[in-house]
Amino acid sequence: NAGVTQTPKFQVLKTGQSMTLQCAQDMNHNSMYWYRQDPGMGLRLIYYSASEGTTDKGEVPNGYNVSRLNKREFSLRLESAAPSQTSVYFCASLFAGSYGYTFGSGTRLTVV
Amino acid sequence: GNSVTQMEGPVTLSEEAFLTINCTYTATGYPSLFWYVQYPGEGLQLLLKATKADDKGSNKGFEATYRKETTSFHLEKGSVQVSDSAVYFCALSDRSNTGKLIFGQGTTLQVKP
Repeated sequence: NAGVTQTPKFQVLKTGQSMTLQCAQDMNHNSMYWYRQDPGMGLRLIYYSASEGTTDKGEVPNGYNVSRLNKREFSLRLESAAPSQTSVYFCASLFAGSYGYTFGSGTRLTVV
Repeated sequence: GNSVTQMEGPVTLSEEAFLTINCTYTATGYPSLFWYVQYPGEGLQLLLKATKADDKGSNKGFEATYRKETTSFHLEKGSVQVSDSAVYFCALSDRSNTGKLIFGQGTTLQVKP
């Protein structure tokens, strides 16, 4: 089925460990986004890629890095995980000039 | 900067009751406005949108009208069902070419039979 695929769905890390969250879309969308969702705070933008080859910081980029590997894939890396990064992470994509993201099903990350 | 404020939840209603979830925004220019819905364990789905003042977005019995004079985009449904239980997010997008969305904090709706 066409859509946005995120892996893994669940992950537990120890403080200081690193990991990469993967996101891939097969809809030929130009733009891709990483958000984190925390209780009472809605979704906050971490990084985005408006088009292949570009990435930009969002509202809460500290502690994260991203790579737009190609048009399909946009990964999020935590270099040294901290308990404050415990959250649910959503990847989304958007076709240029259209309205309405397509979201992945999320990655629930716990840092202990 | 741009921001979105939603009424705090949770909102608990009986089946067939009338629903209103308030949303107000602060933005420069003329943003586009959205309601997204998140069912348990899933990602967000676009519910409806409005791209200019006085537009009414509608879908699945839900409606919201873009009110520039009150900077509001309240979500309404005349008769809710148990299957409408979810978290609802109001969001805005400025008219830049980045497609970035700014979300409200979300309102949880629970509908009881």
